[in-house]
Amino acid sequence: DAGVTQSPTHLIKTRGQQVTLRCSPKSGHDTVSWYQQALGQGPQFIFQYYEEEERQRGNFPDRFSGHQYPNYSSELNVNALLLGDSALYLCASSSSGQARQETQYFGPGTRLLVL
Amino acid sequence: AQTVTQSQPEMSVQEAETVTLSCTYDTSESDYYLFWYKQPPSRQMILVIRQEAYKQQNATENRFSVNFQKAAKSFSLKISDSQLGDAAMYFCAYRRGYHTNAGKSTFGDGTTLTVKP
Repeated sequence: DAGVTQSPTHLIKTRGQQVTLRCSPKSGHDTVSWYQQALGQGPQFIFQYYEEEERQRGNFPDRFSGHQYPNYSSELNVNALLLGDSALYLCASSSSGQARQETQYFGPGTRLLVL
Repeated sequence: AQTVTQSQPEMSVQEAETVTLSCTYDTSESDYYLFWYKQPPSRQMILVIRQEAYKQQNATENRFSVNFQKAAKSFSLKISDSQLGDAAMYFCAYRRGYHTNAGKSTFGDGTTLTVKP
């Protein structure tokens, strides 16, 4: 059973650049959430995608955008990168078919460093 | 807004001993789920245990068990017979349970657990 996968594992960008991170959900899952985890802190919710639409959003600026494809995979795009965007970006998937969809499963993350 | 607080930034336990990690949360909801996740240095976030708020019985998964006190909004994790592989950052998380696409999980800032041989 394939778990949640993310690519790339590491990424180095410079301020002002744009970045795209990718996520494939766990087999059988159709809902993808993205989180930002700064060093030494807990993950912070960015947004969630279901049926190719953004369903819920956390307290992140419009520079953070996403997309979900018909195969349920998802992308996180960050424009005009700032030094403060350096973090571990985690993707989590869940299934709308689960009663109450209570459990999210996480991928290994993408470590983004902005110089 | 829901908040999750882990008041112990670091904990240490001797191998084979028992340790308890604390978590408190604040919510006005009555129906929700609570989770403990483990994040080793390799950074993969792994689900350890989950608790449904509507169940009074505390969840147990092998050496891991929780003490869920709904009225006190407390959700502690007990690790019995600690092993070296238990060393990791542990996160307590909250998620609303009754909405379709319940959305975000809210996490605490984590507790770093060290296991001494």
